[in-house]
Amino acid sequence: KAGVTQTPRYLIKTRGQQVTLSCSPISGHRSVSWYQQTPGQGLQFLFEYFSETQRNKGNFPGRFSGRQFSNSRSEMNVSTLELGDSALYLCASSLLSGRAGAKNIQYFGAGTRLSVL
Amino acid sequence: GNSVTQMEGPVTLSEEAFLTINCTYTATGYPSLFWYVQYPGEGLQLLLKATKADDKGSNKGFEATYRKETTSFHLEKGSVQVSDSAVYFCALSALTGTASKLTFGTGTRLQVTL
Repeated sequence: KAGVTQTPRYLIKTRGQQVTLSCSPISGHRSVSWYQQTPGQGLQFLFEYFSETQRNKGNFPGRFSGRQFSNSRSEMNVSTLELGDSALYLCASSLLSGRAGAKNIQYFGAGTRLSVL
Repeated sequence: GNSVTQMEGPVTLSEEAFLTINCTYTATGYPSLFWYVQYPGEGLQLLLKATKADDKGSNKGFEATYRKETTSFHLEKGSVQVSDSAVYFCALSALTGTASKLTFGTGTRLQVTL
């Protein structure tokens, strides 16, 4: 079974531009969560989508948005990029929304490394 | 709110040494607890998990026991290998509220030398 696939792996953008990142979850998984990883702030939760609906949202500005399609694939968009948005963006998929546990593990993709110049 | 505290790294050990990485948490109720590992240039891989008090998670020689009385989930391995060099993250998933969100510790970098 294929794992979580994120594209592209690397992106270079300039300040003020916008960017769209893509995530294809494990087949059969319906929940997709997004995390930002930076050296200074560590791993921070962005949002979670389940059945095309945003279920949870972290403490990020409205420039960060996402969506989920009927096949569970998800995209996240960052508008008006700032230097501080440079990070590794990780996507995780799980069978269901709700508490992660023995039967609802979050599996991560390799991430998209975004550099904002 | 929920939080996870990990010991500061980097941790440098010789091959075959004993490893302990401390992790303590703050959460309401009984969260699920996880250790994830990140190798250079890669995403996170689940190493082990425990979903209730006194559970022991284990995988690839690594172990961690869910201790509610001390709110801890320390990672241990009896004999580390060079291939274990990576960054290790302790994480929790809360019982209520934004339950699907994982809260991570800051990560501990492990370097194993020959």
